[in-house]
Amino acid sequence: DVKVTQSSRYLVKRTGEKVFLECVQDMDHENMFWYRQDPGLGLRLIYFSYDVKMKEKGDIPEGYSVSREKKERFSLILESASTNQTSMYLCAVGGQGGTEAFFGQGTRLTVV
Amino acid sequence: AQSVTQPDIHITVSEGASLELRCNYSYGATPYLFWYVQSPGQGLQLLLKYFSGDTLVQGIKGFEAEFKRSQSSFNLRKPSVHWSDAAEYFCADLTQGGSEKLVFGKGTKLTVNP
Repeated sequence: DVKVTQSSRYLVKRTGEKVFLECVQDMDHENMFWYRQDPGLGLRLIYFSYDVKMKEKGDIPEGYSVSREKKERFSLILESASTNQTSMYLCAVGGQGGTEAFFGQGTRLTVV
Repeated sequence: AQSVTQPDIHITVSEGASLELRCNYSYGATPYLFWYVQSPGQGLQLLLKYFSGDTLVQGIKGFEAEFKRSQSSFNLRKPSVHWSDAAEYFCADLTQGGSEKLVFGKGTKLTVNP
């Protein structure tokens, strides 16, 4: 199985701060994803990347950006954190060709 | 746009009872379908998946799912629920043709009564 590590389990940031969420995989998968999970809304795709320096917008990209400089690392950036970005953020790896996607443990971000 | 519907937000069953969680997908071609489980405070774990072939798929933890093209459904079942099955369950469909990405339903929270 792929090990997917998210840099923080819990994070508290202030409104207006620039926030970085990091995701690292220990395999060589091309596909990496960032989802946001909110009660009653399921998982919504923010951004994904299928190769180094390649990225595509998901369903809710507004207020976010991403960076993938190395294959194993995919970063989610909140340019100016707002309270409505308080949520659980999940990173996923894999899924190409219908294979299993592996998830990190999640980062619960609170913006105050 | 491709979508996945889980009609039941919350289901409560007694321990030992049977379980069926519903999932409907919208994509017309042969879908790639998944069921994931999320225990409290945890990431998602794959229970099972369907790509083609036998429409009854066996997964981990005693779960199975049946693909029914005529009903655009992929329902998850377990004959006898254990207290440890209490969790949130997500159905997902993989987009095809171009960039691949998983589209999730909104989830069904399962409560198990003793």
